[in-house]
Amino acid sequence: DADVTQTPRNRITKTGKRIMLECSQTKGHDRMYWYRQDPGLGLRLIYYSFDVKDINKGEISDGYSVSRQAQAKFSLSLESAIPNQTALYFCATSDGYNQPQHFGDGTRLSIL
Amino acid sequence: AQKVTQAQTEISVVEKEDVTLDCVYETRDTTYYLFWYKQPPSGELVFLIRRNSFDEQNEISGRYSWNFQKSTSSFNFTITASQVVDSAVYFCALSEAPRPAGNKLTFGGGTRVLVKP
Repeated sequence: DADVTQTPRNRITKTGKRIMLECSQTKGHDRMYWYRQDPGLGLRLIYYSFDVKDINKGEISDGYSVSRQAQAKFSLSLESAIPNQTALYFCATSDGYNQPQHFGDGTRLSIL
Repeated sequence: AQKVTQAQTEISVVEKEDVTLDCVYETRDTTYYLFWYKQPPSGELVFLIRRNSFDEQNEISGRYSWNFQKSTSSFNFTITASQVVDSAVYFCALSEAPRPAGNKLTFGGGTRVLVKP
């Protein structure tokens, strides 16, 4: 089983819908992250969490919200999806300062 | 603010050629870490290497090697004798010293490497 699991892997939806992407991990890491990937822009940080009670905005948090339900679970919501949120979304975890981040396989989201 | 630039958006080589990927970073911190990740066509992100700012020793791992030059703020990656399986997008990333909002990675835009048989 994967250490970092994202569901769904693919999603196509319509403008205005509320979407939730889920991430769970078995690595026991406290730190979890959500990124989006757009062609030519690398990965950009949406939100991150250092523990269940600590959630922080990243560089592109507008239009997104998150929930850290447990140490192992970190979900990302798009409150009212718009087409420019079409992207590949990654969840990641890490074991502390400057350790490599471990990524899930990504969720490909298309908003029509 | 930290920044990572990968000026080469795409590199195409023939199998067995060497290929070097450039990475230039900006940071005001003296303590920081640099990373390289590989993203094959299947889409997952694979960690390749981590280097801290105090260790300028070059590193070799099989056909992969990394050249860290603090004086030019560069952390370049070379694939020797490239193979078709090396075809992927490669990302360089920077993480600065601990702070309340630390351990965020800033990624470069990525370099797509296409190795032709």
